Amino acid sequence: NAGVTQTPKFQVLKTGQSMTLQCAQDMNHNSMYWYRQDPGMGLRLIYYSASEGTTDKGEVPNGYNVSRLNKREFSLRLESAAPSQTSVYFCASRPTQGAREQYFGPGTRLTVT
Amino acid sequence: DAKTTQPNSMESNEEEPVHLPCNHSTISGTDYIHWYRQLPSQGPEYVIHGLTSNVNNRMASLAIAEDRKSSTLILHRATLRDAAVYYCILSPGLLIQGAQKLVFGQGTRLTINP
Repeated sequence: NAGVTQTPKFQVLKTGQSMTLQCAQDMNHNSMYWYRQDPGMGLRLIYYSASEGTTDKGEVPNGYNVSRLNKREFSLRLESAAPSQTSVYFCASRPTQGAREQYFGPGTRLTVT
Repeated sequence: DAKTTQPNSMESNEEEPVHLPCNHSTISGTDYIHWYRQLPSQGPEYVIHGLTSNVNNRMASLAIAEDRKSSTLILHRATLRDAAVYYCILSPGLLIQGAQKLVFGQGTRLTINP
């Protein structure tokens, strides 16, 4: 099992450009999550998908959209990148509705200039 | 959401036990206590969780106070690999529509001396 994988690992964007961060898990997990982590801070939830076919906003959803493509994949899209979106983005998944633990990917480091 | 309070940093020596405290005085009766850790340049890693009773797993032990207003993560024999930021997080027992929204604070940065 590769666990939770994220692509790309690093990305530099210019202000106004768009891009999609990809996340996939091979553990047959139901729920998936997108977080961002700014320097020296804890993680903040952007969007989540409790199960295939559903998505909901987290704490900081503005400027982002998500797609739960299928049970394995959950993508995060920045339509018009801003310097304030410079951050490290983590994807996570959780097994079943009763499970309490989340499994995190290695992160995507995004810089917007 | 109930909040947690942790020391900003702690230091310990290799091969010694480490006790990481967490205060959560506003915890509700059904909130679970979770611990995650984040090694440098990596994603967070689940460590342990509990509700009322003390819990043990291969990574650590979780000691929960009788009134549940505080808890302690115990690493029994620290190694250099345990140097990380440790997050204490509360999560509601009832997950509405299956969603578990973890709220990460700033955590405790643990340094392990050789």
